Amino acid sequence: ETGVTQTPRHLVMGMTNKKSLKCEQHLGHNAMYWYKQSAKKPLELMFVYSLEERVENNSVPSRFSPECPNSSHLFLHLHTLQPEDSALYLCASSQDVGIYEQYFGPGTRLTVT
Amino acid sequence: QQPVQSPQAVILREGEDAVINCSSSKALYSVHWYRQKHGEAPVFLMILLKGGEQKGHEKISASFNEKKQQSSLYLTASQLSYSGTYFCGTEIYSGAGSYQLTFGKGTKLSVIP
Repeated sequence: ETGVTQTPRHLVMGMTNKKSLKCEQHLGHNAMYWYKQSAKKPLELMFVYSLEERVENNSVPSRFSPECPNSSHLFLHLHTLQPEDSALYLCASSQDVGIYEQYFGPGTRLTVT
Repeated sequence: QQPVQSPQAVILREGEDAVINCSSSKALYSVHWYRQKHGEAPVFLMILLKGGEQKGHEKISASFNEKKQQSSLYLTASQLSYSGTYFCGTEIYSGAGSYQLTFGKGTKLSVIP
């Protein structure tokens, strides 16, 4: 596997379910990111991790809980989501935080019913 | 803090040129440009640092006017492969040694034969 991979690619969950999104980067990068992309809305940065430490949390509801066990893996734990949370969730990585190009994964299309 | 992109959408015939603008009300540290094709992840185009530099990537170039907090993306002699949504991301200093990257809503570019 090369680049940034995300699983699952599609997920349908009820509002009472608990699920997790997984991201893995094979680029040796130190920084990883979670973004939310909704229809007709810009990319919204949710979380930033640098060397497994969270460096940014952009006022994201607590029903989204990130986890970065090492610099290659990033998870987004989901619980008691709302229908408005339905979106494409993109993971990205970069050499370090800051002025470095970000490599995006293919995304997980999440639908909350 | 979200940058404003213009136009929102543009349709070009192959070979025509286009300019996409990105402006911010905040003092910018850098500007990032990405392209996202339908159903795919965003792909990095270039980063411009403050200092008014201009960069090029084949027939796609960009400029950054630090004084006006504006950046423009120039697409020359457009090709069908240029179709997609172009996002600018503006990076500002958010204090305590950290920077915040925020994306615009995107400009949808369609190139037709």
